[in-house]
Amino acid sequence: DGGITQSPKYLFRKEGQNVTLSCEQNLNHDAMYWYRQDPGQGLRLIYYSQIVNDFQKGDIAEGYSVSREKKESFPLTVTSAQKNPTAFYLCASSATGGNTEAFFGQGTRLTVV
Amino acid sequence: QKEVEQNSGPLSVPEGAIASLNCTYSDRGSQSFFWYRQYSGKSPELIMFIYSNGDKEDGRFTAQLNKASQYVSLLIRDSQPSDSATYLCAVNSFMNYGGSQGNLIFGKGTKLSVKP
Repeated sequence: DGGITQSPKYLFRKEGQNVTLSCEQNLNHDAMYWYRQDPGQGLRLIYYSQIVNDFQKGDIAEGYSVSREKKESFPLTVTSAQKNPTAFYLCASSATGGNTEAFFGQGTRLTVV
Repeated sequence: QKEVEQNSGPLSVPEGAIASLNCTYSDRGSQSFFWYRQYSGKSPELIMFIYSNGDKEDGRFTAQLNKASQYVSLLIRDSQPSDSATYLCAVNSFMNYGGSQGNLIFGKGTKLSVKP
């Protein structure tokens, strides 16, 4: 089945630790995105990539890093510099940029303990 | 001005009524408009997309677009309790990111509650 897979579903991080959230798609999509969602809030763009080996900062990139070494994969690292990382993280992909629908993974809920 | 604005609600309608969800956007260059439904704790799923001015119908759902007014709406006819969710409007925007394709910008969503 084609789709977009995020792992893990739940993640707990101690303060000061870096953690990496996985996102893999087999839809052959060029564009991939990372969004953050806080309770009662909409989606805020962290990073996006429209092609392999290239990515751009979104609205709230500080404290996050990404890589796009393969078309299928777009991992997100939440660094210790991110002061308030507890949130629901959503990865999405689309065939091209914003002109086509985005498909979402199941999300990763990150909690700082 | 925020790029995509929605009334956060909650919007409460009785079962069988029409629910009307509204969205305004600020980038006049936007060409693609999407409505997503998100159940609590789940990821968004696409309901409809619209590219041209006017109405687009799909079952109980109708999307309406007015580019001159920078306004897009979603009507849900014969609302069911299972329609209770948060509805996210998404617009492709070139304002902050440039490039030839822009990026999807989401509103904060409108929470809909359909009462039996």
